[in-house]
Amino acid sequence: KNQVEQSPQSLIILEGKNCTLQCNYTVSPFSNLRWYKQDTGRGPVSLTIMTFSENTKSNGRYTATLDADTKQSSLHITASQLSDSASYICVVSGDRNNDMRFGAGTRLTVKP
Amino acid sequence: GAGVSQSPSNKVTEKGKDVELRCDPISGHTALYWYRQSLGQGLEFLIYFQGNSAPDKSGLPSDRFSAERTGGSVSTLTIQRTQQEDSAVYLCASSSRDRGFRSNQPQHFGDGTRLSIL
Repeated sequence: KNQVEQSPQSLIILEGKNCTLQCNYTVSPFSNLRWYKQDTGRGPVSLTIMTFSENTKSNGRYTATLDADTKQSSLHITASQLSDSASYICVVSGDRNNDMRFGAGTRLTVKP
Repeated sequence: GAGVSQSPSNKVTEKGKDVELRCDPISGHTALYWYRQSLGQGLEFLIYFQGNSAPDKSGLPSDRFSAERTGGSVSTLTIQRTQQEDSAVYLCASSSRDRGFRSNQPQHFGDGTRLSIL
């Protein structure tokens, strides 16, 4: 069973609208949680990295939240643009060098 | 360029052949990672190089897979006797710290090599 679950699997929204993507994890102990954006045919690009002590971090129109107690994270996208259409991947690292768990991603489509 | 460069971008080969995939990390990055991404699946960790330490090979799926990193820079992932299930996008990433997955430094990914086994 994957230790990082993302929801929804896919999402379609209209340009200009906001949306929130979810990431629940069971990785323990926990080191950090990352959100990546992956455009079709490209490598993932880092959006945010959050440690245990951080509960919110922003990168432009992207805001990630983290609740380490409930092991939940969200990525909120404000005023969506067509270029936001991509897969968003949540990655959770434990405290050992080979302990990194990837979510299957949420496929976001922004329509005009 | 300044980013991670991977070659070839696409590779089509027959089952049973050997393939070599190349990764040029960002200059000065000491950590290098290889991942595999199958269609509709999440990323799968393969191998991790950190500085001059022995690589973490725990993610390699079989002994047909191997990787090396020469001079702390360029890395080559080799798949011997390819099978159809090896078809996937192989992604390389580098980062500027040696703390591996615990690092708070971002990983910079290349655009991958799309490998198709006929």
